[in-house]
Amino acid sequence: DAGVTQSPTHLIKTRGQQVTLRCSPKSGHDTVSWYQQALGQGPQFIFQYYEEEERQRGNFPDRFSGHQFPNYSSELNVNALLLGDSALYLCASGIVTSFHEQYFGPGTRLTVT
Amino acid sequence: GQNIDQPTEMTATEGAIVQINCTYQTSGFNGLFWYQQHAGEAPTFLSYNVLDGLEEKGRFSSFLSRSKGYSYLLLKELQMKDSASYLCAVKGAAGNKLTFGGGTRVLVKP
Repeated sequence: DAGVTQSPTHLIKTRGQQVTLRCSPKSGHDTVSWYQQALGQGPQFIFQYYEEEERQRGNFPDRFSGHQFPNYSSELNVNALLLGDSALYLCASGIVTSFHEQYFGPGTRLTVT
Repeated sequence: GQNIDQPTEMTATEGAIVQINCTYQTSGFNGLFWYQQHAGEAPTFLSYNVLDGLEEKGRFSSFLSRSKGYSYLLLKELQMKDSASYLCAVKGAAGNKLTFGGGTRVLVKP
């Protein structure tokens, strides 16, 4: 049983470009949350998807958008990249009816130059 | 809003005990989590507390006092592989959003 998977592992982009990151949740999970983790800091919540809709959003600008597909996988899109968007992007999947079951994927390391 | 504080770094000796404290101020509370994160890897779940008291799981224990907004993670019989960052996170009043502290980097020395 595969856990949470993310792609790509690493990515280098230039300021102003757009990027799409992908996440496949653990089998049986129906929610996907995205977090941004800057070096040496704790993860910051971006948003959560359930039933293909954004359910909760953290303090991130509209440049950050997402999508959830019928198979529960999810994408995170970031437009007009800034240097400050360089971070590890983590996806966490869970079950909406299970209060504390939340598993993280290995992350995508995004570098903006 | 939510505010979560934990020490930045701690050093301990192999075989010893280390206690990582976490204080929080939140507008809602539905549980406190501890995660372990090795450098360059995903956070892995260690413990979950929603009621006051101590939860023990092998070498790791976690304590919660909701009235004090305080938790600690206790690591016993430290091993070199325990060198990692330990993240304290609070689940708010609604949804699955976790608010994380900055993490405590623990260095275990021989």
